[in-house]
Amino acid sequence: AQTVTQSQPEMSVQEAETVTLSCTYDTSESNYYLFWYKQPPSRQMILVIRQEAYKQQNATENRFSVNFQKAAKSFSLKISDSQLGDTAMYFCAFMSQTQGGSEKLVFGKGTKLTVNP
Amino acid sequence: NAGVMQNPRHLVRRRGQEARLRCSPMKGHSHVYWYRQLPEEGLKFMVYLQKENIIDESGMPKERFSAEFPKEGPSILRIQQVVRGDSAAYFCASSPGLNGETQYFGPGTRLLVL
Repeated sequence: AQTVTQSQPEMSVQEAETVTLSCTYDTSESNYYLFWYKQPPSRQMILVIRQEAYKQQNATENRFSVNFQKAAKSFSLKISDSQLGDTAMYFCAFMSQTQGGSEKLVFGKGTKLTVNP
Repeated sequence: NAGVMQNPRHLVRRRGQEARLRCSPMKGHSHVYWYRQLPEEGLKFMVYLQKENIIDESGMPKERFSAEFPKEGPSILRIQQVVRGDSAAYFCASSPGLNGETQYFGPGTRLLVL
C-alpha cells in the first residue's frame, strides 16, 4: 500500500520570504499523480498544485512550485513571496494511475504553516 | 459553475441516532469520493462511487456505515447508530472520471456526536 510522509508537523515563515514543505512517498508503481492541497482555517480543501509522475518538468502555479524527485520519491512544495493568506495546513497526496483501479487519494498527516507579518 | 456542495455543514447527533450526509458533485462530474478527517489528522479515504455503483469501499468501516450515489440526486453517506468516535469532518470530492483527474472537494460536514 502507498504511504505519504510529511516530516514537518509545523513550520513558520516571515511574510515575503520563501518556505519549502517536505513530502516523501512510498510506492512500487511507476505511474501516478501527486498533489498538494491547502486547508485554511475555514477547513475547505483547496488544490494548490499537481504533478504527473511521467513528466520530468516540475509543476509551477504562480508562487507555488514543486521539486519532484522521482528516484528519491520526494515531492516538496516551495512557496515564494509568502503571504499572510498562505497560513494553512498543507497536505501532500498520492493517487495511483492503475487503469480500472481506485482513484483514491492517500494523504500525509499535514504540515501546519504559519506566515508571520 | 457551482462547486461541490455538501449539506448539512454541521450536524449534531446523540449516540445511537443516524446521520445522513449529502454530497452533490460538480456539474459534469460522475465520480464521488468520501473522506474522513479526525481532529488533528489528515484525510482518510472511505469510499469511491460512480452513479449507481460502489467502486471501492476499502476504507469504510464494516458496520454502521454505508454510501450510495443514485442515478438521480446527491450521494449519501449514512452512519447508523452513531458513536462518539464518529465525530469528525466528512469531506466529499468529485472528479470527471477520467483517470488521474483532480478531485475537487466540498466544504465538508462536521459531525459531532454527543
